Amino acid sequence: QQQVKQSPQSLIVQKGGISIINCAYENTAFDYFPWYQQFPGKGPALLIAIRPDVSEKKEGRFTISFNKSAKQFSLHIMDSQPGDSATYFCAASMHSGGSNYKLTFGKGTLLTVNP
Amino acid sequence: GAVVSQHPSWVICKSGTSVKIECRSLDFQATTMFWYRQFPKQSLMLMATSNEGSKATYEQGVEKDKFLINHASLTLSTLTVTSAHPEDSSFYICSAVRGGEQYFGPGTRLTVT
Repeated sequence: QQQVKQSPQSLIVQKGGISIINCAYENTAFDYFPWYQQFPGKGPALLIAIRPDVSEKKEGRFTISFNKSAKQFSLHIMDSQPGDSATYFCAASMHSGGSNYKLTFGKGTLLTVNP
Repeated sequence: GAVVSQHPSWVICKSGTSVKIECRSLDFQATTMFWYRQFPKQSLMLMATSNEGSKATYEQGVEKDKFLINHASLTLSTLTVTSAHPEDSSFYICSAVRGGEQYFGPGTRLTVT
């Protein structure tokens, strides 16, 4: 059972455009929602994360929008650059209740930003 | 801060042999580390949770006798793939928990011939 559904599978954006990746979760016990960026042959790196007590979080060109009632969250990359071309993973976890911070990942989105 | 290293970065071994992969938290202590494997163009699949000083907790379907995990110190966890076979070829990634965040290592590419 896939608990975090991510879309689209791949995305092509022109330089300077906005990249939008969406995720939906099922488990209402999730209380932490990070996004990771992974380049080929490298480990994932944390980009930005949000908790359900806020609806939006912005860090530089990256913004997470969170809709608790719809159980959805999305990553927006403003002014997308060719260097942003990578695979992006959304994830969710329970930070309370002794979960050990185990992450459930989406299937990933391959972003290509054309120059 | 929060740097995690893995060694080796890549390894080729013959079928039937064992391979050990190290995961180190370089600038912090980690009670909890995780081990993942990732096939090409796929997501990360959690293999096990490694807790310092105790036995690892394996995910359903992961053979604990084949993938031996040892977390002997607060900065080091090891994954040993025993009697490796070509189907074990994959990208293995560890992470270490600090302040509620998982920090990932750079990964180890294992190829079994």
